[in-house]
Amino acid sequence: GENVEQHPSTLSVQEGDSAVIKCTYSDSASNYFPWYKQELGKGPQLIIDIRSNVGEKKDQRIAVTLNKTAKHFSLHITETQPEDSAVYFCAAKPFGNEKLTFGTGTRLTIIP
Amino acid sequence: GAVVSQHPSWVICKSGTSVKIECRSLDFQATTMFWYRQFPKQSLMLMATSNEGSKATYEQGVEKDKFLINHASLTLSTLTVTSAHPEDSSFYICSARGAEPSNEKLFFGSGTQLSVL
Repeated sequence: GENVEQHPSTLSVQEGDSAVIKCTYSDSASNYFPWYKQELGKGPQLIIDIRSNVGEKKDQRIAVTLNKTAKHFSLHITETQPEDSAVYFCAAKPFGNEKLTFGTGTRLTIIP
Repeated sequence: GAVVSQHPSWVICKSGTSVKIECRSLDFQATTMFWYRQFPKQSLMLMATSNEGSKATYEQGVEKDKFLINHASLTLSTLTVTSAHPEDSSFYICSARGAEPSNEKLFFGSGTQLSVL
């Protein structure tokens, strides 16, 4: 089955700087890669996703890049703000499989 | 994005009682809903996949008689924790996917914190 590794597990960034979280996946059949933000005591919120036919996608301060050859994808947050502090999860879904496999999460702390 | 409503947000119950958690898709029809369990500072663990009108598919190691799932309509799935014990205390989260085959986006409810005394 699919296996998703996520790094780092914790990340502290000065406000205004950029944050990068990286994930690798094992199943070359995976073709959908979403990123979720989870605040304390709440459910995960979909913040951006990318499909395997695209190499990069951007939404305001958030961007995701995908390298299919290396089987890794990354989340980039620019101009970080205190409200970006949360736990971020990457996930991968193989084509034809309805289940998402989640990474282990990254606790991002933005230092004012 | 689509809205998934989950209730209650927290519940405290006595050991041996049953607790029902509801998950509703408010502005879309969800043919497939998923139930997850999350321990503190850990990732989401898939418990079961529920499809409208059919029996749920449980992940390995999840007791189907303990965690009863009903997906009676395209907008509602329920998880009942039967004869709850302290080890069942956890954060339970539901998610839903739209009815269109091409719709891969998964939207989550706000979660239910269950504490069993």
